[in-house]
Amino acid sequence: EVQLVESGGGLVQPGGSLRLSCAASGFTFSSYAMSWVRQAPGKGLEWVSAISGSGGSTYYADSVKGRFTISRDNSKNTLYLQMNSLRAEDTAVYYCAKGGLGIDAFDIWGQGTMVTVSS
Amino acid sequence: DIQMTQSPSAMSASVGDRVTITCRASQGISNYLAWFQQKPGKVPKRLIYASSSLQSGVPSRFSGSGSGTEFTLTISSLQPEDFATYYCLQHNSYPLTFGGGTKVEIK
Repeated sequence: EVQLVESGGGLVQPGGSLRLSCAASGFTFSSYAMSWVRQAPGKGLEWVSAISGSGGSTYYADSVKGRFTISRDNSKNTLYLQMNSLRAEDTAVYYCAKGGLGIDAFDIWGQGTMVTVSS
Repeated sequence: DIQMTQSPSAMSASVGDRVTITCRASQGISNYLAWFQQKPGKVPKRLIYASSSLQSGVPSRFSGSGSGTEFTLTISSLQPEDFATYYCLQHNSYPLTFGGGTKVEIK
């Protein structure tokens, strides 16, 4: 079964850091770009970041550029999102999703992990 | 960056109605357009990819069309389980961008 399972969310103070993980199974992880998408409470979907299958290319939304870092460990079939200098407006459910550009964009999603930035 | 303008933002419809949702891209994206359905508290689900290809397992009452800058999602006969929020996504170039969403409510 193709599956993505996120972990690492929680409550963090403004200015703090958090690292999200996304464990993939059921497909050849290294063959696909991967993305992070977030959804603030009551709001729409926002693409956050993507990484190529090899990990050699990364892409970010302007809203997180310079603060978030996407990475992957293909030996562990795991995607990461390191989030630094967190702000209240980063509060959201964070989803990992298979794909980026191309026909397989977002055909598989994880269940999401909640990140709350508050003092 | 490519902006995706989705309309309407909300609509009321009855079971059996034909529903049409539109997304307009600020520049051409070929057919790199996908549609998603999201129900409250649930994970988004892809319905359509490559503008008009139906995702496996999705009922045939859903269809997509368009190319370039104008795209449409059509539900031919709205069913009770279709009341949800729908989003378009352009995946032609980074940064990827979603439309603002269309909430389909029961009339």
